[in-house]
Amino acid sequence: QAGLTQPPSVSKGLRQTATLTCTGNSNILGNQGVVWLQQHQGHPPKFLSNRNNNRPSGISERFSASRSGNTASLTITGLQPEDEADYYCSGWDNSLSAWVFGGGTRLTVL
Amino acid sequence: QGHLVESGGGVVQPGRSLRLSCAASGFTFSTYGIHWVRQAPGKGLEWVAVISYDGYNKYYADSVKGRFTISRDSSKNTLFLQMNSLRAEDTAVYYCATHLNDAPFEIWGQGTMVTVSS
Repeated sequence: QAGLTQPPSVSKGLRQTATLTCTGNSNILGNQGVVWLQQHQGHPPKFLSNRNNNRPSGISERFSASRSGNTASLTITGLQPEDEADYYCSGWDNSLSAWVFGGGTRLTVL
Repeated sequence: QGHLVESGGGVVQPGRSLRLSCAASGFTFSTYGIHWVRQAPGKGLEWVAVISYDGYNKYYADSVKGRFTISRDSSKNTLFLQMNSLRAEDTAVYYCATHLNDAPFEIWGQGTMVTVSS
């Protein structure tokens, strides 16, 4: 399996919880984790969590990252309209000596 | 809080060259690696290249290897991307972003648009 795989779209209702997944091979997720980014239309990406699943200051506690095996997840609780955006995961591929982005998940808040 | 500003984008014909710049401020530039990441219109993010904090280590995506060169001038807090033999598929917004081991892609610029067209 090459790269990082993300579902193209996820739709959830207001105030619900969304879990976005990012699946990769052991070359990427085997030793170090991925980062998560949020991108609103027409804006640059915004850093949400680091490779240790920690949020930088200023990022809401509603965003939490985790990893289990070769799947990383970003969970967003209490969905708000402003959470509607594209979400990307990214990691280092040891076999390619290159950084890889997932294809992104478009989150729609209904 | 750090700040990155890209410049140098524009419209260029296929096969020609272009040099992008990324000016950094608000953080100690010489201690950070820096990435170039691009995004074609309506598409996802694509990693392009990264340079280590000291300029010694450079890595490239296969799609640009041999055509693009990343470099930095830490005395001027500036990153560069020399793009040669440009193709239509290089058309994208080009972003620079900081790199620390645990926090790659923490700080982003606003991006500069490159259009390769005859």
